[in-house]
Amino acid sequence: DIQMTQSPSSLSASVGDRVTITCRASQGIGNDLGWYQQKPGKAPKRLMYAVSKLQSGVPSRFSGSGSGTEFTLTISSLQPEDFATYYCLQLNSCPLTFGGGTKVEIK
Amino acid sequence: EVQLVESGGGLVKPGESLRLACAASGFTFSHAYMTWVRQAPGKGLEWVGRIKNKADGGTTDYAAPVKGRFTISRDDSKNTLYLQMNSLKTEDTAMYYCCYFYMDVWGKGTTVTVSS
Repeated sequence: DIQMTQSPSSLSASVGDRVTITCRASQGIGNDLGWYQQKPGKAPKRLMYAVSKLQSGVPSRFSGSGSGTEFTLTISSLQPEDFATYYCLQLNSCPLTFGGGTKVEIK
Repeated sequence: EVQLVESGGGLVKPGESLRLACAASGFTFSHAYMTWVRQAPGKGLEWVGRIKNKADGGTTDYAAPVKGRFTISRDDSKNTLYLQMNSLKTEDTAMYYCCYFYMDVWGKGTTVTVSS
């Protein structure tokens, strides 16, 4: 099974900050990686798919990069509505696996 | 409108069974690979399993913690996905989401609580 190690597990940041979240896969997953945002009490919402493709309707301040086993989600300028928990998901092989999550909190 | 609506959650005792349903609308359900994801209280997301469309064999895959206890099935004539959960354990307590990953459609979830 492919393990997804996500870091950090939490971070505090201010509005306007650049934020970077990383996911490392235990083996190569090609570009079969997505990023999700979840707010309390709500279902997750996809931000990125295929590593770097922006989901329709998602602001361009979100970007994704990486290949093979190391992947990054970057928020170029954190906005108040971005305070949430973020998860990566590998879709390369079953069982699909999520990263452990990164909670982005207000500093 | 593309929509998924889960139902069937509730409070059960360890060892009991429960069947969740997910009603789909707004897309061609029979073509879709459908997935169940769960989230224990205060914890992260956990993939439970998925079912392929009939054209691709309709086969299922499961996460290790539920394999042999949970069964995913579908009724394309009713646009409905099911999750049969047997031999429930306290650690199965979670919000269960029905998902169509391709279009990023998620239901609002249904809560399952396993407690004596």
